Parts: sequence; structure tokens; C-alpha cells
Amino acid sequence: KNQVEQSPQSLIILEGKNCTLQCNYTVSPFSNLRWYKQDTGRGPVSLTIMTFSENTKSNGRYTATLDADTKQSSLHITASQLSDSASYICVVSSTSGTYKYIFGTGTRLKVLA
Amino acid sequence: DGGITQSPKYLFRKEGQNVTLSCEQNLNHDAMYWYRQDPGQGLRLIYYSQIVNDFQKGDIAEGYSVSREKKESFPLTVTSAQKNPTAFYLCASSIASGQGAKTDTQYFGPGTRLTVL
Repeated sequence: KNQVEQSPQSLIILEGKNCTLQCNYTVSPFSNLRWYKQDTGRGPVSLTIMTFSENTKSNGRYTATLDADTKQSSLHITASQLSDSASYICVVSSTSGTYKYIFGTGTRLKVLA
Repeated sequence: DGGITQSPKYLFRKEGQNVTLSCEQNLNHDAMYWYRQDPGQGLRLIYYSQIVNDFQKGDIAEGYSVSREKKESFPLTVTSAQKNPTAFYLCASSIASGQGAKTDTQYFGPGTRLTVL
């Protein structure tokens, strides 16, 4: 069964600190992996997307990594800011079937001053 | 100003009523999607459409209905048959037919929060 699991479920850090969020998946055949940021009460916004051949992608203070062999991805946030407080959702796409997006349940990040 | 819009932002429904959530996009995207999000849970697919006048059920379609008469519009009706409709509803669109290609990023609307009174 295609699944995407994220950890931790929630995380609290102090402003200025770094953190890493994890995403493990069992989706096959694999097409690509996206990380979204969702502010409370808003729609998700895409941060990064990686295909099988890409093992790292940066977007400002956000850096995503992908290990297609172990089927793991991480999202590293550097020098966190209060505005980073949000849910981060990992979405894996497959190349089979008519609908191909498998969503993780997200990690809720809270950055404290 | 291109994007995907949803209305209303907040919606209240009495038991037994049907309500319709609006979703419009001017991105010229072929595919559109409706998701439901409950607290502490991931997004669950209700319906999706890959082309005008065609749509498919998602994982939790019971109690919902959709139409796709225009490329730009994909309204969702929450019927009285949906016994637990209180949730946050998200509409999304993508450029291709949901084939999962790298360019097939989903763009989400701002959401509608539906509450049953």
C-alpha cells in the first residue's frame, strides 16, 4: 500500500535554531516528492520538488534532501523565524494510476521567541 | 493576478441543508481537486477532475457532489447525506492531468471552513 509517514508529529523550537523534519514513503513506482508549507487556516504552498535523480534542493532557508534508495526525505530549516510556524506536508507522486498524489499527515512546527 | 480562489471563507450549515463551495482558477489548468482536512489529519481526496465534463470520486466522495462545466470552475456541493461535514475544505488545480510529473505541481486555494450548526 502506498503510504507517506512524517515525523515528528509536532515540534517546538526557539527562534534562530535549526530543525529537521522527516518523511518516509513506500510509494511505488516513484515519480517525485514535494514539500508544502501550510499556515494555519490557509492553503498549502509548495516549497520544493525533487525527482528520483535529485538528492538535494534548496529554497532560501529551506533545504530538502531525498534518498530514493531508502525512500526517505528530510526538510531542514536553518535559522528559524517566527513565520516558520506552520504545518509542513510531504507529498509523494507515483507514475501509476489516474490519481497520483499521496499526502503525509504533516509536521506541525511552532517557533517561539 | 493569476491564482485559485475559494468562496466563502467561512460557511455555516444547518442540518439537512445542502451547501455549495465555490472554486475558481485562472491558471488555465486542466486538473482540479477537492480535499477535506480535519484537525490533526492529512488531506483526504473527495473528488478530482482531469478535464471539463469529467470527474472521478476520491477516497471520501460519499455525501458530496461536483460538477465541471467550465475549465475555470469546480464547485463542490456538500449534501445532507454527509453526516459529519464540519471541516476545512481545500481546492487545488494543476497543469496536467494528475500524472504526477515534476511540472504537475498542485496549487491550492485559501480554503473554506464549513461548520454545521
